[in-house]
Amino acid sequence: AQSVAQPEDQVNVAEGNPLTVKCTYSVSGNPYLFWYVQYPNRGLQFLLKYITGDNLVKGSYGFEAEFNKSQTSFHLKKPSALVSDSALYFCAVRDIFNKFYFGSGTKLNVKP
Amino acid sequence: NAGVTQTPKFRVLKTGQSMTLLCAQDMNHEYMYWYRQDPGMGLRLIHYSVGEGTTAKGEVPDGYNVSRLKKQNFLLGLESAAPSQTSVYFCASGETGLREYFGPGTRLTVT
Repeated sequence: AQSVAQPEDQVNVAEGNPLTVKCTYSVSGNPYLFWYVQYPNRGLQFLLKYITGDNLVKGSYGFEAEFNKSQTSFHLKKPSALVSDSALYFCAVRDIFNKFYFGSGTKLNVKP
Repeated sequence: NAGVTQTPKFRVLKTGQSMTLLCAQDMNHEYMYWYRQDPGMGLRLIHYSVGEGTTAKGEVPDGYNVSRLKKQNFLLGLESAAPSQTSVYFCASGETGLREYFGPGTRLTVT
């Protein structure tokens, strides 16, 4: 069965510092992996995806994610956090039937 | 190009009442999805559709029904609402291998 785990409910980081939001996955076959961000009272917005190719994927707003097949991880990263990055982040995996499975979400708090 | 829209944005129901949530997309996507979002549980797939006239069950389908009579619309119905269905409901659409586009959500409270 497909599943996604986000082991941290919350991540706190100071503005200007690098940030990492962790995600591990379990999927049959090749993984199609995604990160989405949700701001308060809004729908989810797409950040980036990994389908194939380079293990480092660049996305919107300066975010990137590193795919690690041996560790079955897809951690979201940003070199320098902004206060405006504070939001809820979801990792997701898509199966061969085009169904998406989401993690439970990680709340990112960036403090000035 | 409005993307994905949801109607209504908010609704309060009493236990046992019924209602239909409407999702519309103008991107000609084949796939459409209904999720519910509850605190600490992420998004859980209720039902989805791989094309006009098709529907399939997701992770948490009980108590919900759906219909996809037109390609651009995906309806989610609650026949007899229960307090456990208090949640925020999101619709999404997409194509094979690509990202999903999400609607703004419907906040439903069942008292």
